[in-house]
Amino acid sequence: EMQLVESGGGLVQPGESLRLSCAASGFTLSSNWMNWVRQAPGKGLEWVANIKQDGSEENYVDSVKGRFTISRDNVKNSLYLQMNSLRAEDTAVYYCARGPNTAYSYFAPWGQGTLVIVSS
Amino acid sequence: DIVMTQSPDSLAVSLGERATINCKSSQSVLYNSNDKNYLAWYQQKPGQPPKLLIYWASTRESGVPDRFSGSGSGTDFTLTISSLQAEDVAVYYCEQYYSLPLTFGGGTKVEIK
Repeated sequence: EMQLVESGGGLVQPGESLRLSCAASGFTLSSNWMNWVRQAPGKGLEWVANIKQDGSEENYVDSVKGRFTISRDNVKNSLYLQMNSLRAEDTAVYYCARGPNTAYSYFAPWGQGTLVIVSS
Repeated sequence: DIVMTQSPDSLAVSLGERATINCKSSQSVLYNSNDKNYLAWYQQKPGQPPKLLIYWASTRESGVPDRFSGSGSGTDFTLTISSLQAEDVAVYYCEQYYSLPLTFGGGTKVEIK
């Protein structure tokens, strides 16, 4: 069974940094584009970023460009999201999600998510 | 960016009755070269991550009950639950994957009447 497990969320102050991790099992991470999608409390879904199988291409939503960096370690079967200069509006549950084999993809499966709270 | 607009925001349907959710994109998500609509539907139950139901606008994901169906093309799409069950209470989202940034509709909450 394909499974994704996120970790690394927590409470941080505005301007601080946080690194999220996503561990994959039941499939080979290196075969897929991988994504981060977030959901603010009580709100809808927002795609954040994705990364190509070999890490050679990354895409971001405008609101996080220059602040967030997506990366992956295919040997460890893991995906990461480095979040710098965090803002209150970044408060959300962050999900990692597998895409098929392009940047233009639907998502399945999703992890359970990790909560990031940015507050002073 | 492609804006996805869902309607209604919420609906209450009796058990066994049909539920219909609409999704409209601000531009076509039909890719002419392969004649595919880059549109997916998700179900999110309280406290859970979203679950893929439908992709390519009408292809049901493996394991999804056949009471769920997707239709539409271009800019107008519909998710239909043919006979609502208690376990279908959830928020439903559409997503376009035609262009970056990938974008979602605002969600439709389905409840039991």
